[in-house]
Amino acid sequence: NAGVTQTPKFQVLKTGQSMTLQCAQDMNHNSMYWYRQDPGMGLRLIYYSASEGTTDKGEVPNGYNVSRLNKREFSLRLESAAPSQTSVYFCASSEATLLGSTNEKLFFGSGTQLSVL
Amino acid sequence: GENVEQHPSTLSVQEGDSAVIKCTYSDSASNYFPWYKQELGKRPQLIIDIRSNVGEKKDQRIAVTLNKTAKHFSLHITETQPEDSAVYFCAATNFGNEKLTFGTGTRLTIIP
Repeated sequence: NAGVTQTPKFQVLKTGQSMTLQCAQDMNHNSMYWYRQDPGMGLRLIYYSASEGTTDKGEVPNGYNVSRLNKREFSLRLESAAPSQTSVYFCASSEATLLGSTNEKLFFGSGTQLSVL
Repeated sequence: GENVEQHPSTLSVQEGDSAVIKCTYSDSASNYFPWYKQELGKRPQLIIDIRSNVGEKKDQRIAVTLNKTAKHFSLHITETQPEDSAVYFCAATNFGNEKLTFGTGTRLTIIP
C-alpha cells in the first residue's frame, strides 16, 4: 500500500516549457487535490477533483490544467511554465467527496520541487 | 469564501515548555478544523482535528480548542520535545464543501 505517489520529485524547466506532474493513489479515494506550497503562503489549492470525472478550480488555477484520468490518477499540467510557478507541488487525496462530514483526512504525496528558470 | 489566518508565523520554545498556535476563520458555517504537521522536507500529515460540536479535543501532549463565537481555534502542545519542531498548518471547511482552506503555517522550533 504505497498511499499517494507523485512523480517526478524534482524538475527544472526553462520559461515556456511544458510538463505534467503525475499523481496516483491506491486507497480507492474519491477526492484528489493539487496544492502548491510557497514560503509564507501555506498550502494553496490549485485544482481539485471531488470524484472521478469532475474537476474544479481552487484558489490559484491560472497557468495550470488538470486531468482526472480515472479514480486513481490526477495529473497537473503546466502548458507554458513561468518563473512564478517555481514552487513545491503536493498532490493529496481523501476518501470523502464532501468535507465536514467524515473521512476528510488528506493524505499527501511526497511533493515535487519545481524550478522554472 | 473561507479565509483562515494563523499566528504566529514563527515560534521558538524551550524544550519542555508549552507551545500555542492560533487560527481565526471567517465563515461562521465552518464546522471542521484539522491541524497538519510538516517536518522538514516531508509531506504534511494530520495530527489532530476538531468538529464544531465540541470545544476541546486532546491526544496525549496535543490538544485543540475551538471558540465558535469568536471564530478561532488553537493548537496546544505541552511538554515539547525536539521532534515537535516542524511547520504546523491549521485549516477549516464546512459540511458539504469540497475543499479545505489552509492557514499560512507556523514554524515551531524547539530549543534543547
